[in-house]
Amino acid sequence: DTGVSQDPRHKITKRGQNVTFRCDPISEHNRLYWYRQTLGQGPEFLTYFQNEAQLEKSRLLSDRFSAERPKGSFSTLEIQRTEQGDSAMYLCASSFLRDRVYEQYFGPGTRLTVT
Amino acid sequence: QKEVEQNSGPLSVPEGAIASLNCTYSDRVSQSFFWYRQYSGKSPELIMSIYSNGDKEDGRFTAQLNKASQYVSLLIRDSQPSDSATYLCAVNMYNTDKLIFGTGTRLQVFP
Repeated sequence: DTGVSQDPRHKITKRGQNVTFRCDPISEHNRLYWYRQTLGQGPEFLTYFQNEAQLEKSRLLSDRFSAERPKGSFSTLEIQRTEQGDSAMYLCASSFLRDRVYEQYFGPGTRLTVT
Repeated sequence: QKEVEQNSGPLSVPEGAIASLNCTYSDRVSQSFFWYRQYSGKSPELIMSIYSNGDKEDGRFTAQLNKASQYVSLLIRDSQPSDSATYLCAVNMYNTDKLIFGTGTRLQVFP
């Protein structure tokens, strides 16, 4: 399978706990993105990397959220002190330049439920 | 005003018909435009991208872009029941790689 992979696929946690998600991009893609999606809404941008550099982070993103891509390959997204409002699907995407456009391909997502 | 707007639907079309999905965006400096298909409980799947005014065709899909009117559409020819899904429009603005998504249009293709 050469697509974007995410782990775990599902996570149930109690409020106040920390969680960490992992994303492995398509191997030749140098850009990696994190989005969050809730029911009935489109994905909402969180942050993105080019190689190991974090180029942009959403202003809406609480400081409880942190993302890393230490070697420019896989990435992790950590949420500290989870709240019920963090329940959502967390999507990772990766991209490469095709015909002047960076086309983003999504992984299967990690569904987080905070109880 | 939302940055990317789509009619939530559902849009119902009979099998074999042309489905027309529309999207408007607010920022005139938007650079690139994308259509994604999302089945219930699954992640978005890229259908196609477009950045120049006019039409771009890929199989049964045609994307149309009109930057003057800030409007992008997706036509699906010979619609099949398997095309029933939510279609997300996304816009990539100048000097950033993040995508801004609409809330999606739900398409139902009935036999």
